[in-house]
Amino acid sequence: DSGVTQTPKHLITATGQRVTLRCSPRSGDLSVYWYQQSLDQGLQFLIQYYNGEERAKGNILERFSAQQFPDLHSELNLSSLELGDSALYFCASSPRLAHNEQFFGPGTRLTVL
Amino acid sequence: AQKITQTQPGMFVQEKEAVTLDCTYDTSDQSYGLFWYKQPSSGEMIFLIYQGSYDEQNATEGRYSLNFQKARKSANLVISASQLGDSAMYFCAMREADSWGKLQFGAGTQVVVTP
Repeated sequence: DSGVTQTPKHLITATGQRVTLRCSPRSGDLSVYWYQQSLDQGLQFLIQYYNGEERAKGNILERFSAQQFPDLHSELNLSSLELGDSALYFCASSPRLAHNEQFFGPGTRLTVL
Repeated sequence: AQKITQTQPGMFVQEKEAVTLDCTYDTSDQSYGLFWYKQPSSGEMIFLIYQGSYDEQNATEGRYSLNFQKARKSANLVISASQLGDSAMYFCAMREADSWGKLQFGAGTQVVVTP
């Protein structure tokens, strides 16, 4: 158990819908990362927050957005969902901006029908 | 361009044998970090080992060791004395100096350990 929690574990929804994925980092970790793992794209970095501020952005679609709250939990919002958004979404956390280890949560498996 | 290349999509290894998973990387940074993660069929990502570009010694963590060859830009993972529980997908990843910690992953190598 990495100490990072993600909810829900599974999510099934329809095209065009909007969902919110939630992540609680390890206690004391200030940095949160979101990654998407799909069959065709592999593991891709989406976005990073550090202590409430966005720090780095990867190949994140405009339909996706994220935020980190004062209690350091983070949410990833996916809207106007398409079939291709079906993937495993990981949240990871680390104590600092570029720590030597990122601790991954169990992931949220999103299925868009 | 692909930053992390794992050329072995899959491999079989017998229990108790050692296995080497290849990873090459591409960066112009002098300071970077290399990581290996394990993903079993249950899906979670488990951190295995880290090597910094300035580390003089190869990293080791229990049965895992990283064969770091900086000039060749390779960071191969060696698993000694394979166990059935080592069957999983293994990912090599890199963090570059100006990337604020984001990891770039390779495509992964599927390892199956047979009795």
